[in-house]
Order: sequence, then C-alpha cells, then structure tokens
Amino acid sequence: SQQGEEDPQALSIQEGENATMNCSYKTSINNLQWYRQNSGRGLVHLILIRSNEREKHSGRLRVTLDTSKKSSSLLITASRAADTASYFCATDASGSRLTFGEGTQLTVNP
Amino acid sequence: NAGVMQNPRHLVRRRGQEARLRCSPMKGHSHVYWYRQLPEEGLKFMVYLQKENIIDESGMPKERFSAEFPKEGPSILRIQQVVRGDSAAYFCASSPTSYTGELFFGEGSRLTVL
Repeated sequence: SQQGEEDPQALSIQEGENATMNCSYKTSINNLQWYRQNSGRGLVHLILIRSNEREKHSGRLRVTLDTSKKSSSLLITASRAADTASYFCATDASGSRLTFGEGTQLTVNP
Repeated sequence: NAGVMQNPRHLVRRRGQEARLRCSPMKGHSHVYWYRQLPEEGLKFMVYLQKENIIDESGMPKERFSAEFPKEGPSILRIQQVVRGDSAAYFCASSPTSYTGELFFGEGSRLTVL
C-alpha cells in the first residue's frame, strides 16, 4: 500500500447529498492536504489540516484528521454537479515533497 | 497574477524522439516539483528543484529523464528516447518556500508516444 490511500475509489451521489471520502496513511505527518482535479486539468488545493488539528472547515468542506488512526476524511455538504471531480489527499511524510494517493472519483448527478 | 504555466499542453512524439516539457512557476516561487500521472491514477513524484539545484530526484527514472531549473528561464523536464510507457500527463507545481504547504499546479503537459 502507498502513503495516502483514498476510499472509496469512486462515489456517485445525487445533487444535494453529502459526499464523504476517506484517506489513510502510514507514517507520521506534519500536515495533510486535500486537492481537487477536474477532468483534464491540474490540481487545485482545497484545504490543509495540521497534525495538531482535529477538524477544519472551509465553506461546504469539512476535513477531519485522526492521527492515532492515521486517517482523514473529507466531507462535502450539499453537493452540486460542479463538484464532480477527482479528490486526492496528500501527505508530507516523505520530507521535502508531497505524496499523493490514488484519488476518489466523485460524480454528482443533477 | 499568472499561475504556473506549462507548455506545451499536448505533445506527440514517436518512439526514440526527445520530449521537452517547460514549466514557469508562479511569480515569487523558487521551488518547483514535477509529478507524473497515468490515466485513472494518482500523481507520482518525480523531482524537486530550486533555482540551479536538484534537491530530490528520488522519483526520477535513472535513465533518459533529466530536469533542470536554471537561474533564468523555466524549469525543463527532458525525456530522451521516449518509449510508449512514457505516455502520461506531466504536472509541474511550485511553492514559495521549501515547507510542504500548499502547492500550486499547472494544467499539465500531456505526452503521447506513438
């Protein structure tokens, strides 16, 4: 397994529903980040949570971090069709660089 | 304030040719990272550079791949004698410091090897 594994691999929901994605990692981290990638585009930073934080909010996004379980979750509330994208978690456990997971493909149906 | 600029966006090469991918970081950023992404997969780290220095190239294949970030001009990822397995999207990201905070990504260069 690789550092930063997202679960599920794919998620399909209806507009207005909440979407929850999970990320697990293996080694100690200073921070964990979530990125979004629209099809054919680059990654866009969503939110960063530090190892001493347990929860963080940004608009419709809510991120939690459990360092004892080495896991994080990203919740998108009241989803919209425009939220359709791939979501990646990234950790800094490798020192000078971020290591990305394989991503969760979210589809929000109108 | 221009973001990270990558070019070309799409590049087609035949086996054995060379591919050169360019990346201009955001203004004021002196740290550049290159990642490779295969279809339906995550990003795999290749190399981390600062101006005129390679800091971490642990993700670079030992042969045919090289990267530079000169004092003046963009960062270049060079792939010599391309093979079909090199077909992928190559992303560049930049940051203002070496601390692993937020990375700013370009739109990527998509290499297709025929």
